[in-house]
Amino acid sequence: AQSVTQPDIHITVSEGASLELRCNYSYGATPYLFWYVQSPGQGLQLLLKYFSGDTLVQGIKGFEAEFKRSQSSFNLRKPSVHWSDAAEYFCAVGAGANNLFFGTGTRLTVIP
Amino acid sequence: NAGVTQTPKFRVLKTGQSMTLLCAQDMNHEYMYWYRQDPGMGLRLIHYSVGEGTTAKGEVPDGYNVSRLKKQNFLLGLESAAPSQTSVYFCASSYTQNTEAFFGQGTRLTVV
Repeated sequence: AQSVTQPDIHITVSEGASLELRCNYSYGATPYLFWYVQSPGQGLQLLLKYFSGDTLVQGIKGFEAEFKRSQSSFNLRKPSVHWSDAAEYFCAVGAGANNLFFGTGTRLTVIP
Repeated sequence: NAGVTQTPKFRVLKTGQSMTLLCAQDMNHEYMYWYRQDPGMGLRLIHYSVGEGTTAKGEVPDGYNVSRLKKQNFLLGLESAAPSQTSVYFCASSYTQNTEAFFGQGTRLTVV
């Protein structure tokens, strides 16, 4: 069965510090992987996606993620966090059967 | 472009009442989805549709019905609301399976 684990419920970082949000997935085939961001009271916006090819993918707002098949991971990174990055981040895996399985989310707080 | 539009944005229902949530997309997407978001549980798929006139059950379909009479609209119905259906509901659409899903702004439903 497909599943997505985001082990960190809440992360706090200082503005300007680097960020890494963890995501581990379980899926039998080659996964389609996504990171979405949700600002308070808003819907979800796609940050980046991985379908195939280069395992390091670049997204919007300076985010990147690296697919590591051996670790079943797709961690999201940003070298320098801005206060506007405070939001909730969701990792998702495309299960091939018309569904996206979402992790439980990581809430990011940015302190000045 | 409007993208994905959900109506209403907020609603309070009494137990046993019925209501319909409307989702409209203007991107000519084939696939449409209804999710619910609950604290600590991420997004869970309720029902989805792969084209006009088709619907299918997702992960948590009980207590909900859907219809896709027109390609651009996907309706979610609650026939007899229960407090357990208090949640934030998101509609999404995508061009094909496993491509980027575009989300609406959400509907916050409270059942008392």
